[in-house]
Amino acid sequence: EIVLTQSPGTLSLSPGERATLSCRASQSVTSRYLAWYQQKPGQAPRLLIYGASSRATGIPDRFSGSGSGTDFTLIISRLEPEDFSVYYCQLYGSSRYTFGQGTKLEIK
Amino acid sequence: EVQLVQSGAEVKKPGESLRISCKGSGYSFTGYWITWVRQMPGKGLEWMGRIDPSDSYTNYSPSFQGHVTISADKSISTAYLQWSSLKASDSAMYYCARQIAVALSGGYYYYMDVWGQGTTVTVSS
Repeated sequence: EIVLTQSPGTLSLSPGERATLSCRASQSVTSRYLAWYQQKPGQAPRLLIYGASSRATGIPDRFSGSGSGTDFTLIISRLEPEDFSVYYCQLYGSSRYTFGQGTKLEIK
Repeated sequence: EVQLVQSGAEVKKPGESLRISCKGSGYSFTGYWITWVRQMPGKGLEWMGRIDPSDSYTNYSPSFQGHVTISADKSISTAYLQWSSLKASDSAMYYCARQIAVALSGGYYYYMDVWGQGTTVTVSS
C-alpha cells in the first residue's frame, strides 16, 4: 500500500507570501493519479489540482502543482486571506484512493 | 449545475442501524462513480469505498470492508452509505464525491471533482 506523507504539518505564513507544500509517496506513482484539495473549516473539500499539475475549473492561477515519481508540490504564489486552510494530496491506485494527512496553512 | 446533496445530520445510539444518502443532479448519475470519504473530528480524510451507479459494482477500502455497505438507486440518482450496527467510533463527518475517470493526453486521470456538503453522524448512548 502506498503511503502519502505531507510536509510540513503546519505552515505559518503571511498574506502575499509564497507557500510551498510537499506530498511524498512511499513509492513511485503515476502523476496523472495525483490530486490536491483544499478544505476550509466547516466545508467540504474542493478540488484544486488534478494530474499533479492541471488546475481544476475556476481555480486561480496563483495555485500550481508539479512533480513526478515520488515527490509532488503545491505552490500558492501569493497568499490571499482565503487561502489559509488545510490542503490534502490524494492518490488513486489499485482501485482505491489514498489521502495524505494534510498540511494546515495558517496566518503568521 | 452539478450537485451532490446529502441527507441531514443524524444522532444515533450504539447498535442502531443507519443509512445516509447522496443525491446527484445536473449530470448523468450513471456516468460517474460515487465515492464516500470519512472525516473524524479534527482529523484528515479517509477514503471508504465507491460505487458505479450504472451496475452497483462496489469496491471498498480494506479499513471499511465489512463495516459499511455502499449502494445506489439509479432510478432516483441517489447513493447510500449504511451501517447495520453503529459504534461510537463511527461518529464523524461523511462526504460523498463524484469520481472522475477521464482519458486525456497520456492516459486516464482520476480525481473527485464535486463533493456533497457532508453528513454528520453522532453515535452516543
